[in-house]
Amino acid sequence: EPEVTQTPSHQVTQMGQEVILRCVPISNHLYFYWYRQILGQKVEFLVSFYNNEISEKSEIFDDQFSVERPDGSNFTLKIRSTKLEDSAMYFCASSEKSLGGQPQHFGDGTRLSIL
Amino acid sequence: AQKVTQAQTEISVVEKEDVTLDCVYETRDTTYYLFWYKQPPSGELVFLIRRNSFDEQNEISGRYSWNFQKSTSSFNFTITASQVVDSAVYFCALSEGDYGGATNKLIFGTGTLLAVQP
Repeated sequence: EPEVTQTPSHQVTQMGQEVILRCVPISNHLYFYWYRQILGQKVEFLVSFYNNEISEKSEIFDDQFSVERPDGSNFTLKIRSTKLEDSAMYFCASSEKSLGGQPQHFGDGTRLSIL
Repeated sequence: AQKVTQAQTEISVVEKEDVTLDCVYETRDTTYYLFWYKQPPSGELVFLIRRNSFDEQNEISGRYSWNFQKSTSSFNFTITASQVVDSAVYFCALSEGDYGGATNKLIFGTGTLLAVQP
């Protein structure tokens, strides 16, 4: 069964450094998402992406964050200057373009640890 | 505003017991979608079920069943004859309808940690 893949599984970075999290969505999916889960808390929406542009972003997704689809398969989340509070599990998800409510399929996540 | 409430933070049961996980949602949309996801200890998010706002028919899939009631804005999840492998955090989520621009972002509840003891 096709799946969303995320790399790396764990990223350790010094505060202030840039980090890029990578995702390969399911190949025929057109909607892409990033979510964040701080340890022990709920999953929070960060950004959605369709047709090579951001569709919606949350308050969390400030100027330090950016997303990109550099080629036909990868979808990346960049954090420009990481802060301690950016430590979390980051999930990528994708869904087919259809009527609303299509299930989003999630990758296994990247655990980001900021030191 | 959209909101999902899972009042049960943790539930502990003994294997073979039935357990119901509660989910209450708020939305002003008439078209919306409800989901359940499972997060096992390994951390991934596994899609379990989707239900749209026009379909109140309950669904059963093996030991899993879902009870959607618009009158009480609830979408509860029951596991029959629970097993140790059911131990996980279960998240209920909501997304709005597709109005030609909606992004279908998921609004998650805070999750319920289910521990099934052998």
